[in-house]
Amino acid sequence: EAGVTQFPSHSVIEKGQTVTLRCDPISGHDNLYWYRRVMGKEIKFLLHFVKESKQDESGMPNNRFLAERTGGTYSTLKVQPAELEDSGVYFCASSQDRTYASYEQYFGPGTRLTVT
Amino acid sequence: SQQGEEDPQALSIQEGENATMNCSYKTSINNLQWYRQNSGRGLVHLILIRSNEREKHSGRLRVTLDTSKKSSSLLITASRAADTASYFCATDALSSFYNQGGKLIFGQGTELSVKP
Repeated sequence: EAGVTQFPSHSVIEKGQTVTLRCDPISGHDNLYWYRRVMGKEIKFLLHFVKESKQDESGMPNNRFLAERTGGTYSTLKVQPAELEDSGVYFCASSQDRTYASYEQYFGPGTRLTVT
Repeated sequence: SQQGEEDPQALSIQEGENATMNCSYKTSINNLQWYRQNSGRGLVHLILIRSNEREKHSGRLRVTLDTSKKSSSLLITASRAADTASYFCATDALSSFYNQGGKLIFGQGTELSVKP
């Protein structure tokens, strides 16, 4: 079974440009999460999809970030326009059924974003 | 405020020695998980312990959970050079789980270096 995949693995862009990150969750996983780790600090939650609906976007830093999950399959995270402080590693994770009392989130390899 | 805090921030040991990492958190949790991140790679799930469990083993890993002290420890026995990585604890806040689906809140991590 394929794991969570993310594309690209690394992106270098200039300040003011736009970047779109993609995440393909494990097939059949309804829950999809975005996290990021900035400057070696802790990994922080960005948002959570249940199928195609945004369940929790309390971690989104500002309106320059837009996440979508069309059809409840893959998700994209767009940063427009990118700022220097957006540099970091963006992780995607998926999990199965939220009705389980506890469940494991499976993480992708991350996309390293560098804004210059 | 940050949910998980880990100590030590960095740990350097010799191969064969045991490594102990600690994690503290602030709110009631549904479960606590430990993840490993090798340099430049994604997060790998190590072990999950539920709030009603006190100790769990998986291979060379031993995790304890003390909900009265809101703390957990990860013990790696007979460490190997391949164990060199960043280790993170992540909590699934109980309120978050029932209301929003279980976003994970990570600590800053412990950088473990195992010297051959």
